[in-house]
Amino acid sequence: QQQVKQSPQSLIVQKGGISIINCAYENTAFDYFPWYQQFPGKGPALLIAIRPDVSEKKEGRFTISFNKSAKQFSLHIMDSQPGDSATYFCAAWGRDDKIIFGKGTRLHILP
Amino acid sequence: ETGVTQSPTHLIKTRGQQVTLRCSSQSGHNTVSWYQQALGQGPQFIFQYYREEENGRGNFPPRFSGLQFPNYSSELNVNALELDDSALYLCASSWRGGAGANVLTFGAGSRLTVL
Repeated sequence: QQQVKQSPQSLIVQKGGISIINCAYENTAFDYFPWYQQFPGKGPALLIAIRPDVSEKKEGRFTISFNKSAKQFSLHIMDSQPGDSATYFCAAWGRDDKIIFGKGTRLHILP
Repeated sequence: ETGVTQSPTHLIKTRGQQVTLRCSSQSGHNTVSWYQQALGQGPQFIFQYYREEENGRGNFPPRFSGLQFPNYSSELNVNALELDDSALYLCASSWRGGAGANVLTFGAGSRLTVL
């Protein structure tokens, strides 16, 4: 049973454009929402994360927007660069200390 | 500060065999968790160890078992391998007991192929 739905499955963006990846969750007991970046042959690396008491968090070119009532959150990558080409996973932590990942979005930035 | 290291990086087994995967936690971390990542999918939580005891388990059968050692390193054991066990197995460490409890540091994984 998938509890975190991620879209799109793949995304192609021009260099300098904005990349947007969306996630939706079902379980209201989730209380921490991280995004991970994974390059081929590497493990996922934490990119940015948010707690449900704030609606937006920005770190450099990366922004998470969080809509608690809609149970949705999204990752925005501003001024996308070829080095951002990777697979991105959203995730949600439950109060039971278990994390659930989305299925991932393969992002390709055209030079 | 060393990161999370996993071994072996690749291995091939046949159906019915048993496998042991190893993980060294990042220095200063006291919790280790294991994940299965099938091709084209997100990581799926297998289980977590804290103070050498299993402290949370995902939807995986008992033939998936683990250990955490006093130095916080860990093993994942899978018995009676099935074809569907072919995947990348990721280990992650974290520090339980503070604000960083949800911050996972992943290793590069062990790629298991079951024939």
